[in-house]
Amino acid sequence: EVQLVESGGGLVQPGGSLRLSCAASGFSFRSYWMHWVRQAPGQGLVWVSRINIDGSTTNYADSVKGRFTISRDNAKNTLYLQMNSLRAEDTAVYYCARLNYGSASDYWGQGTLVTVSS
Amino acid sequence: QSVLTQPPSVSGAPGQRVAISCTGTSSNIGAGLDVHWYQHLPGTAPKLLIFAYTNRPSGVSDRFSGSKSGTSASLAITGLQAADEADYYCQSYDSSLDGYVFGTGTKVTVL
Repeated sequence: EVQLVESGGGLVQPGGSLRLSCAASGFSFRSYWMHWVRQAPGQGLVWVSRINIDGSTTNYADSVKGRFTISRDNAKNTLYLQMNSLRAEDTAVYYCARLNYGSASDYWGQGTLVTVSS
Repeated sequence: QSVLTQPPSVSGAPGQRVAISCTGTSSNIGAGLDVHWYQHLPGTAPKLLIFAYTNRPSGVSDRFSGSKSGTSASLAITGLQAADEADYYCQSYDSSLDGYVFGTGTKVTVL
């Protein structure tokens, strides 16, 4: 069974940092592109970042470019999102998802809540 | 911000058919890039319903179907059930943004 489990969310002050993790199991993690998607309170889904199978190619939404870094450890079957210089508008539930069928996300985690507030 | 536009809400009685539109631009749907549809219940993981406009992943009910017309895509739900009450999102890739884009989201209410 495919499983994605996010962790690392919490309360952080503006300007602070946080690292999210996404533990993958039930499939060949090293064979899939992965990405992060977030949902702010009361808002819709917004794409954040994606990474290719070996981590050599990454892309970011303009809103997080230069502040967030996506990475992966295929030996540990884990996806990461390093978030620096956090702002109030980064407050959201962050989901990791597996890319498949081209640009679709066929499996998602349950999400982890990040709250940026003083 | 979303570059794919959906109606904020649609509703229908049990057993009826509802449709949700997703309007894009020449750099996503109009460019022939695939559209996918997700069902999302608050507090849960989004679920892929349709990929590449019309395809259902294994295990998804055939009450859900997708279509495309020009720079728009649509999701239809037939035989509406109480369990279908959720938020629905379309998603594509945008060549000018070089990133993925989601629709504004549509809340489906079963009357």
